[in-house]
Amino acid sequence: DIQMTQSPSSVSASVGDRVTITCRASQDIATWLSWYQQKPGRAPQLVIFAASSLESGVPSRFSGSGSGTDFTLTISSLQPEDFATYYCQQAKSFPRTFGGGTKVEI
Amino acid sequence: EVQLMESGGGLVKPGGSLRLSCAASGFTLGSYTMTWLRQAPGKSLEWIASINSRSTYIYYTDSVRGRFTISRDNAKNSLFLQMDSLRVEDMAVYYCARDSSGYKMAAIDYWGQGTLVTVSS
Repeated sequence: DIQMTQSPSSVSASVGDRVTITCRASQDIATWLSWYQQKPGRAPQLVIFAASSLESGVPSRFSGSGSGTDFTLTISSLQPEDFATYYCQQAKSFPRTFGGGTKVEI
Repeated sequence: EVQLMESGGGLVKPGGSLRLSCAASGFTLGSYTMTWLRQAPGKSLEWIASINSRSTYIYYTDSVRGRFTISRDNAKNSLFLQMDSLRVEDMAVYYCARDSSGYKMAAIDYWGQGTLVTVSS
């Protein structure tokens, strides 16, 4: 199975800050990498697909990069609605696997 | 508008069974691979099973293989998860989800709201 390791597990930030979350795959997954945002009590929502493509309707302050084993999700200027938990997921092979999550909090 | 609506969750004793259903609307179910995922309280997301559009390819995570069965009825726009021999560690919110097609590289682009499964004696 492909292991996905996210860091940090939590980050404290303020409105307007730049936030970067990293995700590392245990083997090469090319760009079969997605990022999801989840708010408490809600279902996750797709933010980034194919490592760097912005899902429709997601603000442009979100960006993704990377390929192979190392990936990043960046929020260029944190807004109040961005406080949430973020997960990476690989879709290169089954079983699909997720990172442990990064909680972005004040 | 794409919508996925799970039902069938509830309280069950260890060793018991539940059947989850997911009603899909706003898209042609038969054109997509569908997936069940779960999230235990305070934990990360866990992929459980996927089924392709024609039910010819089915995949399970190791912890549920042999106990859970994913199926679909495209004519009725429905996805199912039969869960047998339930364990305390199966307790979670269960999500029905759609795998994107083509250029989105199998990202999960739509999720249901989730249904809670509680396994307790």
